[in-house]
Amino acid sequence: AQSVTQLGSHVSVSEGALVLLRCNYSSSVPPYLFWYVQYPNQGLQLLLKYTSAATLVKGINGFEAEFKKSETSFHLTKPSAHMSDAAEYFCAVSPWNAGNKLTFGGGTRVLVKP
Amino acid sequence: EAGVAQSPRYKIIEKRQSVAFWCNPISGHATLYWYQQILGQGPKLLIQFQNNGVVDDSQLPKDRFSAERLKGVDSTLKIQPAKLEDSAVYLCASSLELRQQETQYFGPGTRLLVL
Repeated sequence: AQSVTQLGSHVSVSEGALVLLRCNYSSSVPPYLFWYVQYPNQGLQLLLKYTSAATLVKGINGFEAEFKKSETSFHLTKPSAHMSDAAEYFCAVSPWNAGNKLTFGGGTRVLVKP
Repeated sequence: EAGVAQSPRYKIIEKRQSVAFWCNPISGHATLYWYQQILGQGPKLLIQFQNNGVVDDSQLPKDRFSAERLKGVDSTLKIQPAKLEDSAVYLCASSLELRQQETQYFGPGTRLLVL
């Protein structure tokens, strides 16, 4: 079965600093990969998704993620954190033959310090 | 374009009571999903519908949970009887099709507290 591991349940960054959120998946065949963001009391919003077209994927709000097959990773980055980036971020996988079913990681909560 | 609507937003019940949640997906979206998000965890898929048919309910605790999407639009998720461990946020999502990689759009969720 597919699984997703997000290293670090909480990350604290200073405004203007690099944001790096780690995601590793377990699968013999590279799945489709997603990053979602959840703001307080809201549903999840798609940031970006990897669909095998390009290994570096650009998303909304200045985020991007790089798929590395050799490391089974899909880490999310943003060069310069903004106060509005404070939220919880979820990595998710969907096996290529699973009918669009998502398996989510445990989430990483980002705190942005002024 | 209106997003996924869910109601109620909050619900408090006592254990062994029943509760129902309602979801209205984005207009024209054929696929609907119910997820359970326990505090501190990522969402877990409970059930997936394609139009009014169930595609996958393998993780739905069928002894107490039920869901329906009779006309292929709105959906209802019911818990009867509720247990303390059912306290969670129940998220509804929809996508245009069942096709792989199709973006899922999430509603704001219903936060359930079972006392």
